Amino acid sequence: KAGVTQTPRYLIKTRGQQVTLSCSPISGHRSVSWYQQTPGQGLQFLFEYFSETQRNKGNFPGRFSGRQFSNSRSEMNVSTLELGDSALYLCASSRGGTSEYREQYFGPGTRLTVT
Amino acid sequence: AQSVAQPEDQVNVAEGNPLTVKCTYSVSGNPYLFWYVQYPNRGLQFLLKYITGDNLVKGSYGFEAEFNKSQTSFHLKKPSALVSDSALYFCAVRGSSRNRDDKIIFGKGTRLHILP
Repeated sequence: KAGVTQTPRYLIKTRGQQVTLSCSPISGHRSVSWYQQTPGQGLQFLFEYFSETQRNKGNFPGRFSGRQFSNSRSEMNVSTLELGDSALYLCASSRGGTSEYREQYFGPGTRLTVT
Repeated sequence: AQSVAQPEDQVNVAEGNPLTVKCTYSVSGNPYLFWYVQYPNRGLQFLLKYITGDNLVKGSYGFEAEFNKSQTSFHLKKPSALVSDSALYFCAVRGSSRNRDDKIIFGKGTRLHILP
């Protein structure tokens, strides 16, 4: 079974631009979550989607948004990029539903650098 | 609000010695607890989880974790460390959706160095 894939793997953007990151979950997984990983803050939860609905949201500004498609693929968008948005963005999938106990499977991440 | 703490940024252990990586949590109701590991240049991998039942949970690569409800802890352990265990370890907690406390929260991570 193919793992979670994320595209692109690396991205360099300029302050003020916007960016869209893509995630394809493991086949059969309907829940997708997004995280921001930085050396100082660790792993911070952005949002979780299940069946095209946002189920949970972390404490990030409205510049961060996401969506999930009917095939469970997900995208996240960051508008008006700031230098502090430079991070590794991780996507994770799980079978989802109301099964909060299910473990997540992580993709390799997209390394975003804002200059 | 739920939270998770990994009090040690780094743990150094000699190869062959037992290791412990600490994790404490706060959540409404019964917790779901997880440990993940991030090897250099590799993605996060699931190690083990506690849902209910036996307080001692066994996982991948010989790791185990002990759930202690009274101390709200979920420490990761291994009887004999290997150099290949050197990695970044994350503890995570999630509550039940019934308590509206079901976001998954990760600790800041503990870097484990196994010294040959």
